[in-house]
Amino acid sequence: KNQVEQSPQSLIILEGKNCTLQCNYTVSPFSNLRWYKQDTGRGPVSLTIMTFSENTKSNGRYTATLDADTKQSSLHITASQLSDSASYICVVRSNAGKSTFGDGTTLTVKP
Amino acid sequence: DGGITQSPKYLFRKEGQNVTLSCEQNLNHDAMYWYRQDPGQGLRLIYYSQIVNDFQKGDIAEGYSVSREKKESFPLTVTSAQKNPTAFYLCASSLPVTTYNEQFFGPGTRLTVL
Repeated sequence: KNQVEQSPQSLIILEGKNCTLQCNYTVSPFSNLRWYKQDTGRGPVSLTIMTFSENTKSNGRYTATLDADTKQSSLHITASQLSDSASYICVVRSNAGKSTFGDGTTLTVKP
Repeated sequence: DGGITQSPKYLFRKEGQNVTLSCEQNLNHDAMYWYRQDPGQGLRLIYYSQIVNDFQKGDIAEGYSVSREKKESFPLTVTSAQKNPTAFYLCASSLPVTTYNEQFFGPGTRLTVL
């Protein structure tokens, strides 16, 4: 069964600090992995997409990594801001076109 | 102003009533999706449509129905057969279902059954 596991479930950090969110998956055959940011009460917005051949990709203060061998991905947030408070969702897509969503990590950035 | 819209933002329903959630997009996307999100859980696929007049069941289709009469519109009906309908419902759209296409999400509708 294809699964996507995210950790931690929730995280609280102080403004200006860095943090790393984890995503482990068993989806096979793997096509790509996306990280979404979902503000409370809103729809998710894509931050970055990782394909099989990519190890790291940055989008501003967000840096995603992918290890296709161990089936792990991480999302690193640098110099956090209050506006980073949100749920971060890892979505893994198979070659068959089916997307499997993780339960998300809820990040709270405090002043 | 391109995008995907959902209405209403909040919806209250009495037990035993059917209710229809609206989803409209002007992105010229062929594929559209409905997801359900419960607190602390990942998005679960209810129905999806790859083309007008065609749609397929997702993982949790029981108690829901959809139609796709126009490319721009994909309404979801929550019927009285859905035993636990209180949830946050998200609609999404994308270019044809190929490997890398990003799904663009609407703002969501929060349905509460009284």
